Amino acid sequence: EVQLVESGGGLVQPGGSLRLSCAASGFTFSSYWMTWVRQAPGKGLEWVANIGQDGSEKYYVDSVKGRFTISGDNAKNSLYLQMNSLRAEDTAVYYCASIGVSDAFDIWGQGTMVTVSS
Amino acid sequence: SYVLTQPPSVSVAPGQTARITCGGNNIGGRSVHWYQQKPGQAPVLVVYDDSDRPSGIPERFSGSNSGNTATLTISRVEAGDEADYYCQVWDYGSDHQGVFGTGTKVTVL
Repeated sequence: EVQLVESGGGLVQPGGSLRLSCAASGFTFSSYWMTWVRQAPGKGLEWVANIGQDGSEKYYVDSVKGRFTISGDNAKNSLYLQMNSLRAEDTAVYYCASIGVSDAFDIWGQGTMVTVSS
Repeated sequence: SYVLTQPPSVSVAPGQTARITCGGNNIGGRSVHWYQQKPGQAPVLVVYDDSDRPSGIPERFSGSNSGNTATLTISRVEAGDEADYYCQVWDYGSDHQGVFGTGTKVTVL
């Protein structure tokens, strides 16, 4: 079964750090670009970051540049998002997704909640 | 940055046709993808590359894209189609930036 499972979310204070993980199974992880998308409570979807198959290409939304780092481990079929200097506005459900045919987000995880609050 | 605008809500009776628009500057020159999101669930890809359907998505879902507007059409609407729908494109101008539309809530009357 093709599956993505996120973990690592939780409650963190402003200025703190958190590392999200996304475990892939059922497909050849190393052949796909991967992405993180977030959704603040009651709001729409927001693309956060991409990473290429070999990790050499990485792109970020402007609001997280310099604070978040996307990475992947093909040997472990896993995607990560290191989040530093967290702000209240980073509070959201974070989804990982694979980028498949025509660069659409074709497989999604169930999401992990990140709450930034004192 | 590139902006995609959707109507906040669309209401439709069962069996009728729902049309959800996604407006953007010369969006017809881009490949548009559409996602369905039901409450408490992850999004699901329903149309990719303007008008193609992933395996398992009913033929009732179709898409078109021309000029400044892309459209997702849901024919013979069912109660189970009630959800939020988002369009999405890539902005390759400076970085590989993903862009989502503002989202449309489809209500089945």
